[in-house]
Amino acid sequence: GQSLEQPSEVTAVEGAIVQINCTYQTSGFYGLSWYQQHDGGAPTFLSYNGLDGLEETGRFSSFLSRSDSYGYLLLQELQMKDSASYFCAVSMDSNYQLIWGAGTKLIIKP
Amino acid sequence: EADIYQTPRYLVIGTGKKITLECSQTMGHDKMYWYQQDPGMELHLIHYSYGVNSTEKGDLSSESTVSRIRTEHFPLTLESARPSHTSQYLCAGGGYNEQFFGPGTRLTVL
Repeated sequence: GQSLEQPSEVTAVEGAIVQINCTYQTSGFYGLSWYQQHDGGAPTFLSYNGLDGLEETGRFSSFLSRSDSYGYLLLQELQMKDSASYFCAVSMDSNYQLIWGAGTKLIIKP
Repeated sequence: EADIYQTPRYLVIGTGKKITLECSQTMGHDKMYWYQQDPGMELHLIHYSYGVNSTEKGDLSSESTVSRIRTEHFPLTLESARPSHTSQYLCAGGGYNEQFFGPGTRLTVL
């Protein structure tokens, strides 16, 4: 079967840096995506890694290691508005479907 | 502005009713998806479409049906709603590297 593992909850302080990890076991792999979802809202796309290495978009960065079946999302200079759930998702081969992790709830304290 | 729209945003109905959740897009996506998500949980793919007259069931068994007669329109129908159908339904468009979501329909079946 296909599985993605990410921590259920992470707590950090405003202004700090936090890393959310994602490990996956899938029969195929095309790339790893990250989405943010605020309570009561819809997921919004943050980043995509198709190749090994680091992708940076403003305060957010995402990393992928295909050999380790592992990736992470790094959030810097945390703001209260970053309090949300963060989902990793794997796209397998060319079928365009995503396999989703259970999400990590990020709690930010002042 | 290119977007994905869902109506209604909230719906409370009685058991046994037939309902249709509407999803429309102005983004020109060939690929569209319906997800079901319970609060604080992962997204489950229930239907997807690769284009006009193309629909497939997703990983989560669902008693709903979909149609794709036009690129812009991807409605989901429940023939006979039950309390177990209470959930949030999210419509999305896009591909393996980025998906765009509508605001969702929060359905409650009494």
